[in-house]
Amino acid sequence: AAGVIQSPRHLIKEKRETATLKCYPIPRHDTVYWYQQGPGQDPQFLISFYEKMQSDKGSIPDRFSAQQFSDYHSELNMSSLELGDSALYFCASSWGVTGNTGELFFGEGSRLTVL
Amino acid sequence: GQQLNQSPQSMFIQEGEDVSMNCTSSSIFNTWLWYKQDPGEGPVLLIALYKAGELTSNGRLTAQFGITRKDSFLNISASIPSDVGIYFCAGQPNSGGSNYKLTFGKGTLLTVNP
Repeated sequence: AAGVIQSPRHLIKEKRETATLKCYPIPRHDTVYWYQQGPGQDPQFLISFYEKMQSDKGSIPDRFSAQQFSDYHSELNMSSLELGDSALYFCASSWGVTGNTGELFFGEGSRLTVL
Repeated sequence: GQQLNQSPQSMFIQEGEDVSMNCTSSSIFNTWLWYKQDPGEGPVLLIALYKAGELTSNGRLTAQFGITRKDSFLNISASIPSDVGIYFCAGQPNSGGSNYKLTFGKGTLLTVNP
């Protein structure tokens, strides 16, 4: 079965640079979530989109932005990168229709290293 | 925000032993999910619970949704080396609609000695 696809898997950037992560949800899933996981930490919710509209916002820095496109893929844009942004970034998708079970399925993550 | 207290933080067991871990919350969740994460990989959904009191099994895994809707436990029976990993509980405060964001526990690191 198709899973959530994230790219790139690994990314190395310098401080103050910009990075873009991409997420392709499971086919027919209309809701996408972004999570950030630091070393030894639990995943922290950043932002979510349902039917291309932002549906919820968590601890996402103002330097970060995200959007969901017409084909339901999503991109997380990170600017003015800081050392503390080094983390695993996960995308998850679900089928957000009312009455659905609400199970979230995660991608394999994008590891961002800021030097 | 909502906090999930997951325990224990880590466990070291012998192959064949049973394992139990749990999560508690000060607030109510309508859904509890249990995930397993291997190093550098994404969390993999193990079991999802939707009703208070629900007991659900998936192979050697059994999980229960507490009656108060503020807790859940996960049991692993007859552990094997490939059970090694970090187990996360996660809760969803909303039911229905389009927003199913998860709040995660801090995780339980399981080590199985062959």
